[in-house]
Amino acid sequence: GQQVQQSPSSLVLQEGENAELQCNFSSTATQLQWFYQSPGGSLVSLLSNPSGTKHTGRLTSTTVTKERRSSLHISSSQTTDSGTYLCAIDQNSGYNKLTFGKGTVLLVSP
Amino acid sequence: DMKVTQMPRYLIKRMGENVLLECGQDMSHETMYWYRQDPGLGLQLIYISYDVDSNSEGDIPKGYRVSRKKREHFSLILDSAKTNQTSVYFCASSSRTGSSYEQYFGPGTRLTVL
Repeated sequence: GQQVQQSPSSLVLQEGENAELQCNFSSTATQLQWFYQSPGGSLVSLLSNPSGTKHTGRLTSTTVTKERRSSLHISSSQTTDSGTYLCAIDQNSGYNKLTFGKGTVLLVSP
Repeated sequence: DMKVTQMPRYLIKRMGENVLLECGQDMSHETMYWYRQDPGLGLQLIYISYDVDSNSEGDIPKGYRVSRKKREHFSLILDSAKTNQTSVYFCASSSRTGSSYEQYFGPGTRLTVL
């Protein structure tokens, strides 16, 4: 089945530094979504980016479909960015079914 | 504002009791989901519903059943709850736009089975 590997598993930054999160997947993805989960909170959709580059605010996602990888760049990190970032893939199942990675835990210190 | 709601937010039950978790969405999304999230295991899909009375098993359906009688409501039922069903349960919904879709999640229900 589809596997989604995220790296690093955890990341510690000083406020103002940039973050680069990686997502690698084992099969072609027709849908790719990045989520943010605050500690003890729910999942918030950040970007839907099955191919190419997308920007929203301080976030940039680049997905290279042929290489089965996606990245999420967070510029000028803030303490409120702390939490878990999840990558999820749909393997063209036709069933709107996402497979999630285990996530990257980001801690931004002041 | 697009919204997925879940009730209750917190629930404590004894082993063997029945559990009903409810989910609602106000976006007229066709597809709805139930997941559970456990430390170290990540998010696991329990059931998908493609529309009213059109439900399919996810990756871990054993011990659960679902009901969808209206497009905006999706229920997860645990008949005779077990202690290993202690978890955080998330409901989500999605709607296709062409070849793309996005999932939107509810706030979660933290269930403890004693």
